[in-house]
Amino acid sequence: QSVLTQPPSASGTPGQRVTISCSGGSSDIGSHYVYWYQQLPGTAPKLLIYRDDQRPSGVPDRFSGSKSGTSASLAISGLRSEDEADYYCAAWDDRLSGPKVFGGGTKLTVL
Amino acid sequence: EVQLVESGGGLVQPGGSLRLSCGASGFNFSRYDMHWVRQGTGKGLEWVSAIGTAADTYYADSLKGRFTISRENAKNSVYLQMNSLGAGDAALYYCARGTYCNSTRCYVKGLDVWGHGTTVTVSS
Repeated sequence: QSVLTQPPSASGTPGQRVTISCSGGSSDIGSHYVYWYQQLPGTAPKLLIYRDDQRPSGVPDRFSGSKSGTSASLAISGLRSEDEADYYCAAWDDRLSGPKVFGGGTKLTVL
Repeated sequence: EVQLVESGGGLVQPGGSLRLSCGASGFNFSRYDMHWVRQGTGKGLEWVSAIGTAADTYYADSLKGRFTISRENAKNSVYLQMNSLGAGDAALYYCARGTYCNSTRCYVKGLDVWGHGTTVTVSS
């Protein structure tokens, strides 16, 4: 059982805006940055959002992250068929010695 | 091209050992923390271990001292020695690049480069 809680599934139609939630506690999300990873079928994870709401270069601005207290969210606007993937949140301490935990993942289906 | 390539996975009997390797190219390897993350079949991601630029090492509590991470900067490689393997260790093991540190500061941007993974199967 993962430390961070995500809904197992989410869905939307092309062009829609969907949100994926990630719930934790004071010792993880509440005190560390949140990261989001996208895993397309049969591929390695890809960094989507770092430090709560920052996008790496090359990630479309359709993807956005936010955090409030012990919960975080990933929003995808203008949904596309190629967004169909598994999405994982992670609470990550900047220090290597600190905790690093992933959520259980959310499978996003584009209808 | 920035790239990570894992190797060393395979079939091992319960209680056996395996050494995974990850070769890096296209970036200044010695300046980065490196991580191992695993994913059981049909399951989520699980952080396993990390090694810093000063070869400081860190492990998930669940591993109970069975795994050892190391790096060899001259070969741009990071390794994961796994001992006393059990069914719960069967997974796809990914190598991933972490924080970059230069002489003055570190840049924390998550695990921004991943390999394709190497599969570990534990079975008699």
